[in-house]
Amino acid sequence: DADVTQTPRNRITKTGKRIMLECSQTKGHDRMYWYRQDPGLGLRLIYYSFDVKDINKGEISDGYSVSRQAQAKFSLSLESAIPNQTALYFCATSWGETQYFGPGTRLLVL
Amino acid sequence: GQQLNQSPQSMFIQEGEDVSMNCTSSSIFNTWLWYKQDPGEGPVLLIALYKAGELTSNGRLTAQFGITRKDSFLNISASIPSDVGIYFCAGRDSGGSNYKLTFGKGTLLTVNP
Repeated sequence: DADVTQTPRNRITKTGKRIMLECSQTKGHDRMYWYRQDPGLGLRLIYYSFDVKDINKGEISDGYSVSRQAQAKFSLSLESAIPNQTALYFCATSWGETQYFGPGTRLLVL
Repeated sequence: GQQLNQSPQSMFIQEGEDVSMNCTSSSIFNTWLWYKQDPGEGPVLLIALYKAGELTSNGRLTAQFGITRKDSFLNISASIPSDVGIYFCAGRDSGGSNYKLTFGKGTLLTVNP
């Protein structure tokens, strides 16, 4: 079984809709992250959390929110989706510096 | 914010050739990591480097932590078709806190059989 899982794997939504992307991990790591990947731009950090009570904005947090429901769960929400949020979204976890990534969620906003 | 310059952006090579890619930073890094992303998957860690000058191998892959602590390179020897993917460097700078990583923009590698 995968250590870091993301649901859904693919999602198509319309402009203005609220959607949630979920991430679960069985690695027992305290630190969790959300990134988005766009062609030619690499991985950009949206939000990160170092424990259940700690949430921090990354470099591109506008238009996104997160919830750390438990050590093992970290969800990303788009309150009102817009087309330029079309991207590949990755969740990651870490204990030290090495981050372990989920398989990604491909999101298309029409 | 902190940026890493990763080059080249893309490479198209023949099977059997050696490959080299590198990352540079304007500030000193304490840790360098190299990841590979297969199509449709998340990045997977290949090699981690923690000391200036460190040279580490993982099969056909070799990576080095630059002496100046501002650069790192990854070499792949005798490339094979399954080496295809996007390679990312990542690092934690000396002023970085709480284990946040900065990622390069990736090198897209295509291997022609």
